[in-house]
Amino acid sequence: NAGVTQTPKFRVLKTGQSMTLLCAQDMNHEYMYWYRQDPGMGLRLIHYSVGEGTTAKGEVPDGYNVSRLKKQNFLLGLESAAPSQTSVYFCASSYGLGTGMVNTEAFFGQGTRLTVV
Amino acid sequence: RKEVEQDPGPFNVPEGATVAFNCTYSNSASQSFFWYRQDCRKEPKLLMSVYSSGNEDGRFTAQLNRASQYISLLIRDSKLSDSATYLCVVSNGNNRKLIWGLGTSLAVNP
Repeated sequence: NAGVTQTPKFRVLKTGQSMTLLCAQDMNHEYMYWYRQDPGMGLRLIHYSVGEGTTAKGEVPDGYNVSRLKKQNFLLGLESAAPSQTSVYFCASSYGLGTGMVNTEAFFGQGTRLTVV
Repeated sequence: RKEVEQDPGPFNVPEGATVAFNCTYSNSASQSFFWYRQDCRKEPKLLMSVYSSGNEDGRFTAQLNRASQYISLLIRDSKLSDSATYLCVVSNGNNRKLIWGLGTSLAVNP
């Protein structure tokens, strides 16, 4: 049971470089999320998706782009990395049955530790 | 006011102690409530969902008070392995997003 898989697990980027973080889930979940976690800041939502082909902004979307071309994959892109984007990035997925219905458990990937120098 | 607020702790308790965490939320339209556990440098994992009637899972008891908009987690007979950060999580009004508290740190000492 793979669950939610994130790649890569670690990365060091130079300022201005670009990269894509990949999240894959094999649970047929509709909802997928990208979070960043920084000391003292908790989990902050970057972008999320409520289904294939749809994405929406979270709390801290600036500097990031996402795509959900396939239901099982959710990609997070950094077009021009900045030191402020040094963080631990978590992808998560859930059934999230939609408006008026209760959310179910969110499953997380193991995280990507990104350092921008 | 933050949407979900928790006492950050740290709570330092001896093995066998009972410890309680509280969490308040601001959106009265929230419908889903959870406690997650996060170990150091690991991903969060669901500890338990919180139901209106309250629910228990072994040594863990969760309560929801909709009128006062708070959630609680009680841990009885603490074990060393309970040392972690406990995250209170609440759905937003349309159930499309989860709002995360900053977490309460628990250290259980021998």
